[in-house]
Amino acid sequence: ELKVEQNPLFLSMQEGKNYTIYCNYSTTSDRLYWYRQDPGKSLESLFVLLSNGAVKQEGRLMASLDTKARLSTLHITAAVHDLSATYFCAVDMRGTYKYIFGTGTRLKVLA
Amino acid sequence: DGGITQSPKYLFRKEGQNVTLSCEQNLNHDAMYWYRQDPGQGLRLIYYSQIVNDFQKGDIAEGYSVSREKKESFPLTVTSAQKNPTAFYLCASRDSGRAAKNIQYFGAGTRLSVL
Repeated sequence: ELKVEQNPLFLSMQEGKNYTIYCNYSTTSDRLYWYRQDPGKSLESLFVLLSNGAVKQEGRLMASLDTKARLSTLHITAAVHDLSATYFCAVDMRGTYKYIFGTGTRLKVLA
Repeated sequence: DGGITQSPKYLFRKEGQNVTLSCEQNLNHDAMYWYRQDPGQGLRLIYYSQIVNDFQKGDIAEGYSVSREKKESFPLTVTSAQKNPTAFYLCASRDSGRAAKNIQYFGAGTRLSVL
């Protein structure tokens, strides 16, 4: 079965702390996507990782991809309240137009 | 501005009624998608279309139907056969050009509830 698993599912952290969200996937894929969703809102694209070893950074978020381990990480540095949201990873299924989404990680940053 | 427009934002369905959710894009994207999101859950694929006049079932197509008569438009009908339609519905499109990274762009969503 094709799966994308994220952990943790819920994350409550203090402002200023660091943490990492993990995304494991079971299908062969060359591309890994990270999205952010605010409550009641749509999904906003954060990063696309296109190859093994790819690393992308934007502000306090950094994403990386290890295609051999089928693992992506989203690292949060010195968290701030504005980062509170649900974060999804997704992979595209090679040779198709389909994507598989993870279950999401709900992040709450406490002041 | 280029983007994806979903309407309505909120929709209520009566028992036995079919309802249609609209999705329009002016990004000139070939591929379009419909997802369903239940509270606290991830996205599940309902239908997708790679090109005009062609579409494929996703993982949860039962009780739904779509059409793709124009590149810009991909409406979703929730039929009376869908017994549990209450959810947040998201439409997306994808740029598949040579330089594209196949990123999906999402509309603002339609929240469907049953009366």
